[in-house]
Parts: sequence; structure tokens; C-alpha cells
Amino acid sequence: DAGVIQSPRHEVTEMGQEVTLRCKPISGHNSLFWYRQTMMRGLELLIYFNNNVPIDDSGMPEDRFSAKMPNASFSTLKIQPSEPRDSAVYFCASSWGVTSTDTQYFGPGTRLTVL
Amino acid sequence: AQTVTQSQPEMSVQEAETVTLSCTYDTSESDYYLFWYKQPPSRQMILVIRQEAYKQQNATENRFSVNFQKAAKSFSLKISDSQLGDAAMYFCACRSGTSYGKLTFGQGTILTVHP
Repeated sequence: DAGVIQSPRHEVTEMGQEVTLRCKPISGHNSLFWYRQTMMRGLELLIYFNNNVPIDDSGMPEDRFSAKMPNASFSTLKIQPSEPRDSAVYFCASSWGVTSTDTQYFGPGTRLTVL
Repeated sequence: AQTVTQSQPEMSVQEAETVTLSCTYDTSESDYYLFWYKQPPSRQMILVIRQEAYKQQNATENRFSVNFQKAAKSFSLKISDSQLGDAAMYFCACRSGTSYGKLTFGQGTILTVHP
């Protein structure tokens, strides 16, 4: 079975540009999570969806960040405009549900560099 | 709110030896799960093992086992017969029943395996 798929794997952009990160969850999973990993803050949950509906976006740092899940097999995380402090590795994860019993499976991550 | 603490930024072990990575956590929930994830240089987050808080028996997955001390809120990972491929960053994480999807991660421990 294919795991969580993220694209691109690497993204280099200039400050002020729009960045879109993409995620395809594992087929059949109904929950999707976006995390950000930085040296300073470690792994942080940004937002998660259940059945394509955003449940908790309290981790989204600013209005510059937005996430969508138009269907069960696709989600995007957009940063507009991007800033150098957004440089990080962004992970997408999916699971069967959102209870504590449901293991999250992570994608390979997107390394974002904003110059 | 949950907190997860990994007090060992780095650990090292000789190939074929045993190493234990420490983790303590704090949660007010009675229903929660604990996880260890491995992050090799490829950045992929890989689930190593998980433990249900209501189970007294320590989880085991091949060479990986945990020592779950519920009263002490301790959740250590033991790697037996260490292999070069075990070298990675290891993250301890906690997820409670009422936090829905939110995984709270520790700071991580870098494990080096010497041949």
C-alpha cells in the first residue's frame, strides 16, 4: 500500500512568494494532519481535518497560512506571502480517526526554504 | 495540556548492544496513548511502537520494547541488539482521548550506533 504522499519534497522560494504544499493521505484514512518541524520549536501540529472538515486550526501560526481539504484524497497547505521564518520541514500525516487509538502515519515531508 | 520531555539530546551505542532512551510525560487524562517515532536522515517519521495507557503489559515489537511506568509517567524505549540502521532521531509522543488528533512530541533524542 502507498503511504502518505507529499509534494514537492523540496521547495526553495523567495520571500513574498506564495507556496503550496500538497498531501495525499493513505486511502481509507479519514483524518489528516499538518505538522511543522523546526530546530527551535520541534514538531508542532498546525491543523487537522476529520472527514475533510477542519477540526482544530489553533496551531496555524498566522493568517498567512491556510489549509484546505477539498476531498478525502487531497489536502493543501498554503503560505502567502512566505517569509524566511517559515523555513521548516512540513509533514502531513493521516489516520483512520482522531481518537487516541488511531496511529498517525507520516509522509516524507517537504523541506521549505524561504530566502 | 500535555507535555512530553526527552532529557537526553544525544545517545550512543555500540552495534549489537542495548540502549534505553528516556521519556517522561504529563497529562491529566486517564485515556491516552504513547508512541515512539523514529526519524532517520531521510526525514521520514516512522512509527516504532505504541503503548495504550490502560494496558499494564509493556509493548514489544521485535528488538524494540518499552518500559511503561504509569505512576511515574515514564515511557522509555529499549533497543536490543542495536543495528547501524537504528541510527536516527527518536521522538516520544503522547495523544490523549480528549485532545482528538493532537500528538504532543518530545524534543527528540539523536541515537548514534557505532560499528
